[in-house]
Amino acid sequence: AQSVTQLDSQVPVFEEAPVELRCNYSSSVSVYLFWYVQYPNQGLQLLLKYLSGSTLVKGINGFEAEFNKSQTSFHLRKPSVHISDTAEYFCAVSDKGGSEKLVFGKGTKLTVNP
Amino acid sequence: NAGVTQTPKFRVLKTGQSMTLLCAQDMNHEYMYWYRQDPGMGLRLIHYSVGEGTTAKGEVPDGYNVSRLKKQNFLLGLESAAPSQTSVYFCASSYFLKKVGEQFFGPGTRLTVL
Repeated sequence: AQSVTQLDSQVPVFEEAPVELRCNYSSSVSVYLFWYVQYPNQGLQLLLKYLSGSTLVKGINGFEAEFNKSQTSFHLRKPSVHISDTAEYFCAVSDKGGSEKLVFGKGTKLTVNP
Repeated sequence: NAGVTQTPKFRVLKTGQSMTLLCAQDMNHEYMYWYRQDPGMGLRLIHYSVGEGTTAKGEVPDGYNVSRLKKQNFLLGLESAAPSQTSVYFCASSYFLKKVGEQFFGPGTRLTVL
């Protein structure tokens, strides 16, 4: 079974500052990793995903994440955030067996202040 | 394409009442899922379906039933609602192994049980 730990429940930052949202996972098998974003009062949408290959993954809206197998981490980063990035961010894991079930972390609420 | 739609958007029930939430997708996806989202808990899988006529239990199935009579629809039923089922419910769908792990989410249904 897989599990996901998002180390920060809330992250406040100022506009144009860099941000890192941390995610660690636990699994006995190889996994796929994802970040989803949820804007207020909306459903979730995919931000980026790691399936294989390059460990640095680029997503929408200038976000990127790096898969680190030895540290079982998949941290999300953005070099300069905007007010519009205020949202809740969820890290998720799926095993490579093809079940297509996702296990989500508890979420990190990013608040970007002017 | 409408993507994933959910009906209704809001609902208030009294303890013991029953209701059905409807999820519809127009992307010809094989897999469909029902999640609940509670503050600080992330998304937890209630039930899912890997194809028309099939359903399976997720992480928190108690108190819920589902049916997938048509490929495009996935219904979530509460036979006797309890205050603990107050939550935001999200439906999602995905391709069969084509876009691994990428689930497309509906806008959610906010349910309050008094």
